[in-house]
Amino acid sequence: NAGVTQTPKFQVLKTGQSMTLQCAQDMNHNSMYWYRQDPGMGLRLIYYSASEGTTDKGEVPNGYNVSRLNKREFSLRLESAAPSQTSVYFCASTQPGPRSYEQYFGPGTRLTVT
Amino acid sequence: SQQGEEDPQALSIQEGENATMNCSYKTSINNLQWYRQNSGRGLVHLILIRSNEREKHSGRLRVTLDTSKKSSSLLITASRAADTASYFCAQQGFGNEKLTFGTGTRLTIIP
Repeated sequence: NAGVTQTPKFQVLKTGQSMTLQCAQDMNHNSMYWYRQDPGMGLRLIYYSASEGTTDKGEVPNGYNVSRLNKREFSLRLESAAPSQTSVYFCASTQPGPRSYEQYFGPGTRLTVT
Repeated sequence: SQQGEEDPQALSIQEGENATMNCSYKTSINNLQWYRQNSGRGLVHLILIRSNEREKHSGRLRVTLDTSKKSSSLLITASRAADTASYFCAQQGFGNEKLTFGTGTRLTIIP
């Protein structure tokens, strides 16, 4: 049981390049999330998916797109990277229910855009 | 932004002492959660307190919630070097599974 996995762990992009961050969970969770973490800002929600086939914008969606490929996988795409997107990106998942909304996090992807 | 605030931003204490971190938030909540983040790692869930609860314990952790003041505190008793990490509170509203995270407290335990 690997929990939430993310690839890659590190990435350096030039301004204007594109890339996709991958996330997968093996806990059969319905909901998945993408966050970015910047110094002094805590975590901010980029996009989330409450179930397979649905996605919704979070607090900071501009410059990103997502795909919920199936129940396990939720990818985040940067179509044209900008230096402002330099950050650490975390994927998380949860199984909503009446007792708990605890989120499980992946190890993160550290992205630098030059 | 609906982010909550945590206080203090950084805290250094001697091993064995107690550490207290505070969290304030802005809107009504269904529950409030605390997470720990070790350097370079993802967040790990510590404890959840519901809006109708005032205090909750888990091992060396004690969480309080005051909904009238829109604030929560996390107390770690008998601190250990392994408690060195950043701690975040996160609020969940009603009818919405999304979490809104605070800005975090960086805790350093001095051996």
